[in-house]
Amino acid sequence: DAGVIQSPRHEVTEMGQEVTLRCKLISGHNSLFWYRQTMMRGLELLIYFNNNVPIDDSGMPEDRFSAKMPNASFSTLKIQPSEPRDSAVYFCASSQRGVITDTQYFGPGTRLTVL
Amino acid sequence: GENVEQHPSTLSVQEGDSAVIKCTYSDSASNYFPWYKQELGKGPQLIIDIRSNVGEKKDQRIAVTLNKTAKHFSLHITETQPEDSAVYFCAATPSGAGSYQLTFGKGTKLSVIP
Repeated sequence: DAGVIQSPRHEVTEMGQEVTLRCKLISGHNSLFWYRQTMMRGLELLIYFNNNVPIDDSGMPEDRFSAKMPNASFSTLKIQPSEPRDSAVYFCASSQRGVITDTQYFGPGTRLTVL
Repeated sequence: GENVEQHPSTLSVQEGDSAVIKCTYSDSASNYFPWYKQELGKGPQLIIDIRSNVGEKKDQRIAVTLNKTAKHFSLHITETQPEDSAVYFCAATPSGAGSYQLTFGKGTKLSVIP
C-alpha cells in the first residue's frame, strides 16, 4: 500500500491567495483527520471525517478554512484568503474505522509558507 | 479537556545508552496512550501504545510504562541507535464510544550521538 498521500509537499504563496491541500486516504480506511503542526502549538486536530461526513470541525481556526471529502478516498483542505500565521505543516491521517484505538496513519505533510 | 505535558523537550544520548521520555496527563478518564515517532520530513508514525488496563508494554528495545494513579506515562528506549534520532510525541485520550481525538504532547527531540 502506498500509504496516505499528500500534495503538494511544499507550498509557498502570498498573503491573500487561495491555497488547496490534498489528501488521499489509504484504501479501505473510512476516517480522515486533518492536523496542523507548528512549533508553538504542536500538533492540533483541525477536522475529523468519518464515512465522508465531517464529525468535528471545532479545531478549524476560522471561516477562512474549509475541508471537504468529495468521495471516500480523497479530501481537500482550503484556506481562502491565506495569511502569514497560517504557515505550518499540515498533515492528514487516516484510520480504518475512526475508533481511537485504531492506528492513525499520517501522510508526509504539506509545508505551507505564506509570505 | 485533556492536557498533556511532555519532558524533556530535547534529549541527547550516546549510542547504546538508554533514553527516557516522560508525559503527564490531566484527564483521569484517559485510558489510551500512544507514542509516535516523527523523522525529519515525514509524518508521525505510531511506535507503541498502551491501555490503562496494563502497567507496562514492551516491543523489542521500546517499552512504555503507565502510572494511572500519578497520571503519568513514560517511553523507554534501550540500546539506542542513530536511527532512533527523531522527535517523539506522546498522546492521551479517553477511549470510550465516540472518542476520536488524540491530545498530543509538544514533542521530544532525541539525538543519538554515534
